Amino acid sequence: NAGVTQTPKFRVLKTGQSMTLLCAQDMNHEYMYWYRQDPGMGLRLIHYSVGEGTTAKGEVPDGYNVSRLKKQNFLLGLESAAPSQTSVYFCASSLTSGRASDTQYFGPGTRLTVL
Amino acid sequence: AQSVTQLDSQVPVFEEAPVELRCNYSSSVSVYLFWYVQYPNQGLQLLLKYLSGSTLVESINGFEAEFNKSQTSFHLRKPSVHISDTAEYFCAVSALNQGGKLIFGQGTELSVKP
Repeated sequence: NAGVTQTPKFRVLKTGQSMTLLCAQDMNHEYMYWYRQDPGMGLRLIHYSVGEGTTAKGEVPDGYNVSRLKKQNFLLGLESAAPSQTSVYFCASSLTSGRASDTQYFGPGTRLTVL
Repeated sequence: AQSVTQLDSQVPVFEEAPVELRCNYSSSVSVYLFWYVQYPNQGLQLLLKYLSGSTLVESINGFEAEFNKSQTSFHLRKPSVHISDTAEYFCAVSALNQGGKLIFGQGTELSVKP
């Protein structure tokens, strides 16, 4: 049981390039989330998914797109990277129907630098 | 809307000393409260959470947090810290009927020195 995994661990992009971050979970969780972590700002929700085929915007969705074609995978895309998107990205998942009491399980993070 | 404020960005402390990491929240609806810990170069993991019942909750590694509704606080304490407690600690809230979304504080970096 690997839990939540993220690919890649590190990436450097030039401004304007695109990339996709992959999150995978093997716990059969319904809900999945993408956060970004910036110094002094904690974690902020980018997008989330309440189940296969559904996605919704979080607190800071601009410049990102997501897809959840399979229950176990949640992809985060940057179509045209900007230096402001330099951050550490975390994926998380939770078990059931998004109850407020659910524990979220986090992946190890992807450190992205945009030059 | 909800917000979380962690009052200290960095807390240096010597080994075996007590520590308190402060967290205040704001919400117009009922919330659940969480503390997550992030060890160096790792993802976040749940330390403890308050859902209901006793206002004092404990973790398996000696941390405890007390929910104070009147002061809208959820401070994290440990009576004697170890070097291995060095990490960043995040307080978070989740409001009912919000799809399990977490609102995080800014984080407190706990540095335990020998």
